[in-house]
Amino acid sequence: QVQLQESGPGLVQPSETLSLTCTVSGGSISDSFHHWAWIRQPPGKGLEWIGRIYYSGSTQYSPSLKSRLTISVDTSKNQFSLRVSSVTAADTAIYYCARVTSRYCSGNSCYTIKGFLDSWGQGTLVTVPS
Amino acid sequence: QSVLTQPPSASGTPGQRVTISCSGSSSNIGSYTVNWYQQLPGTAPKLLIYRTNQRPSGVPDRFSGSKSGTSASLAISGLQSEDEADYYCAAWDDSLNGLYVFGTGTKVTVL
Repeated sequence: QVQLQESGPGLVQPSETLSLTCTVSGGSISDSFHHWAWIRQPPGKGLEWIGRIYYSGSTQYSPSLKSRLTISVDTSKNQFSLRVSSVTAADTAIYYCARVTSRYCSGNSCYTIKGFLDSWGQGTLVTVPS
Repeated sequence: QSVLTQPPSASGTPGQRVTISCSGSSSNIGSYTVNWYQQLPGTAPKLLIYRTNQRPSGVPDRFSGSKSGTSASLAISGLQSEDEADYYCAAWDDSLNGLYVFGTGTKVTVL
C-alpha cells in the first residue's frame, strides 16, 4: 500500500518561494506505471491541478502557474518536490501530493492511459499572509 | 478556474438515491474517461470512481458512474450518513495543454 507524505514550511512570506516535498513509501517512485502530481485547495474552495512529473523528470504544468512552477524528482530518496516562486496570498491553500496511475497491464498487453489519482497524501496547509 | 460544472449541493434521506451531474465539453468529458473523488470533512480526497465507471477495491457498489456525450454522473444508491461529503468529478482536457481539470464540487448532505 503506497503512502505519500507532504512536508515543508507552513508559512511563506509574499514574494518568496514556496517549497514542498512529497515522500513516497511502500512503492517505488521509479516504476513505469505512475506519474506523481501536486494539487492544491484554497481553504473552503475546490481542487486545482498544479502539475505532474514522471520518474524520468518529464513534467506537465498547469498553464496558469507554469511561469512560477518547478516540479522535480529525486529517485534516490523516493521523493518529488514542488517550488512556486513569487507567492501571494492567492497561493494560500492545502497542498496535496498524489500518485497518478497512467499505465496498466492486462494479460500480455500493457496500456498507457490518461490516468487517475489513486493515492493522496494527507495534505499540508501553506499560508501566505496578505 | 473549473471547466467542469457540478451542482453546489445535493441531499437525500438515508436509503434514497442521489445523483450528481458533471457538465463538460468535447475537449474533456467528450474525449476522455471521467474520475470521481470523495472528500470527507477535514480529509484528503479519495478516488471513488475511475475510468468513468470502475470502482477501486473497497468502494461499495452503492456508488456508480456513467457518461453520455459531454456530461457525466455519479449515483449514490442506498444513501448512508457516512456518504456526507464533497464530491468532485475530474477529467483530462485537450484544450488546456493536457491539463487535468476538476469539477466545481458538490456537497452531499444526508438529511
